[in-house]
Amino acid sequence: EPEVTQTPSHQVTQMGQEVILRCVPISNHLYFYWYRQILGQKVEFLVSFYNNEISEKSEIFDDQFSVERPDGSNFTLKIRSTKLEDSAMYFCARGTSGADEQFFGPGTRLTVL
Amino acid sequence: GESVGLHLPTLSVQEGDNSIINCAYSNSASDYFIWYKQESGKGPQFIIDIRSNMDKRQGQRVTVLLNKTVKHLSLQIAATQPGDSAVYFCGGVNFGNEKLTFGTGTRLTIIP
Repeated sequence: EPEVTQTPSHQVTQMGQEVILRCVPISNHLYFYWYRQILGQKVEFLVSFYNNEISEKSEIFDDQFSVERPDGSNFTLKIRSTKLEDSAMYFCARGTSGADEQFFGPGTRLTVL
Repeated sequence: GESVGLHLPTLSVQEGDNSIINCAYSNSASDYFIWYKQESGKGPQFIIDIRSNMDKRQGQRVTVLLNKTVKHLSLQIAATQPGDSAVYFCGGVNFGNEKLTFGTGTRLTIIP
């Protein structure tokens, strides 16, 4: 199975700035996910996206976060006003039939200064 | 919600030996459990899964065991190789909310 592609691989931003993280999954997949992993900690679920709508989100995914699939291909995670604690690896994942057997991208390392 | 955790944060195994990585969970409503492997600098990679109505499932060199009585999950890796060195996460899924919850991970180191 080919992996998803994520861009950029590393994003450095100033606190308070907006960032957009991009994911390019296989177009015929219906389920998309975003996760984050703070350095040295476990992978945490952020949001699931099915049929162009959010199907589930965690308590981490507050009003600062949004997701969309604007052109039917790229799947984006936007953080409106970044905070220092947003520094983490952000992984996109895609699935064909739901939360089982998700395939993860290589991640984007976000550093907020 | 689901809560999964691991008994040991690190595990070192001699190359060629078998390894067992353990995981405990608290939510008996989980429908599905998954093991992921994460190598340094990479995203989690699916290894094997098991549905809650099963006790055991085997893959290539890997076996997952599920003990619902004590809410325990284990991953057995046979004949370990240097490429098996990674952090291993267990995860639980409840099909009702399509949310995958990971445990904290065990770092497996294969000693040549």
